[in-house]
Amino acid sequence: KAGVTQTPRYLIKTRGQQVTLSCSPISGHRSVSWYQQTPGQGLQFLFEYFSETQRNKGNFPGRFSGRQFSNSRSEMNVSTLELGDSALYLCASAKGWPMNTEAFFGQGTRLTVV
Amino acid sequence: EDQVTQSPEALRLQEGESSSLNCSYTVSGLRGLFWYRQDPGKGPEFLFTLYSAGEEKEKERLKATLTKKESFLHITAPKPEDSATYLCAPLGGGADGLTFGKGTHLIIQP
Repeated sequence: KAGVTQTPRYLIKTRGQQVTLSCSPISGHRSVSWYQQTPGQGLQFLFEYFSETQRNKGNFPGRFSGRQFSNSRSEMNVSTLELGDSALYLCASAKGWPMNTEAFFGQGTRLTVV
Repeated sequence: EDQVTQSPEALRLQEGESSSLNCSYTVSGLRGLFWYRQDPGKGPEFLFTLYSAGEEKEKERLKATLTKKESFLHITAPKPEDSATYLCAPLGGGADGLTFGKGTHLIIQP
């Protein structure tokens, strides 16, 4: 059974650019959530999608956005990149929403903003 | 606001030396608590889900327990391959995603 797939694995962008990250959840999972991980702040919740609708959002600026497609695949977008956006971005999938069972994570996308 | 504190932040053990990691939390309407293991540069790997106080789960050298205010991850006779960062995440009654602790960085020396 394939796990959560995130692409690309690594990305280098320049300040001011925008970036799109992709996440394919485990087959049959309909909930996708995104997290940002940095050494200082740890894992922080960005947003969660279920049935193509954003169900909740963490405390991040509007430059961070996302969407979910009918096949449950999800993308997140960060516009006007800042140096502080450098982080490991993780996607997790779960069977349903609200989440009552475990979420499984992908390997992440390492974003470096220069 | 949900809060999670993990202790210690870092722990260095000799191979075979058992210990416990702590996760204390303040969460409204706890619906479950998850433990994950994370290796450097990789995504968190799911270990356990605990749903109610008194519940215990075991996997190889790891055992997770849950009380009303905290959870423990006990590691018995650890091996070097158990070295990783261990993260806990309680799931509260609100729909705000998982709130993760900062983790315990565990090093097992041969």
